Amino acid sequence: NAGVMQNPRHLVRRRGQEARLRCSPMKGHSHVYWYRQLPEEGLKFMVYLQKENIIDESGMPKERFSAEFPKEGPSILRIQQVVRGDSAAYFCASSPGADYSPLHFGNGTRLTVT
Amino acid sequence: KQEVTQIPAALSVPEGENLVLNCSFTDSAIYNLQWFRQDPGKGLTSLLLIQSSQREQTSGRLNASLDKSSGRSTLYIAASQPGDSATYLCAAGGEIQGAQKLVFGQGTRLTINP
Repeated sequence: NAGVMQNPRHLVRRRGQEARLRCSPMKGHSHVYWYRQLPEEGLKFMVYLQKENIIDESGMPKERFSAEFPKEGPSILRIQQVVRGDSAAYFCASSPGADYSPLHFGNGTRLTVT
Repeated sequence: KQEVTQIPAALSVPEGENLVLNCSFTDSAIYNLQWFRQDPGKGLTSLLLIQSSQREQTSGRLNASLDKSSGRSTLYIAASQPGDSATYLCAAGGEIQGAQKLVFGQGTRLTINP
């Protein structure tokens, strides 16, 4: 019974390149959340998605960042033209539905921009 | 705008002691309050979730309380063990279109000395 799977675990990109982070939710979960943890800061909400729909992206930077959760396959967080300030741990969480049960988090993707 | 604060930022105690971690939040209109544990380089593990209508939750040696009116939650750890060493995060759950949106504190880094 696999938990939330994120890959890659570590990602190194040079400034200006693109970063693609993938998240497979727990089996039976149709709601996905992305959070970012900057160095020495707490986790911050980025975006909440259901299958094929972005429900709330109020925490996403206005430029260069996008997210999707297609009908088939994992959720993708895409960062275009990365800058050093994008270096952080990106966590994905999932839940089975619109309720208040605990979110299940993945182990995160640690992005380093050189 | 919800803000969550955790005190202390770091705590070091000898094995066997009982201890209390504190969490405060500014907006009492929450749906739940969650406590997580984060080990270095790992994801978040949900420890306890208190719904807004509840006052406390217990799991083994852990007990979490919630006082919405004063905007406070505490996590009590009994008979601490070296394996309890980790960063403990509290998160206030709000609502996005029926689902939850967590605002995290910056965590308390706990070290239990053998």
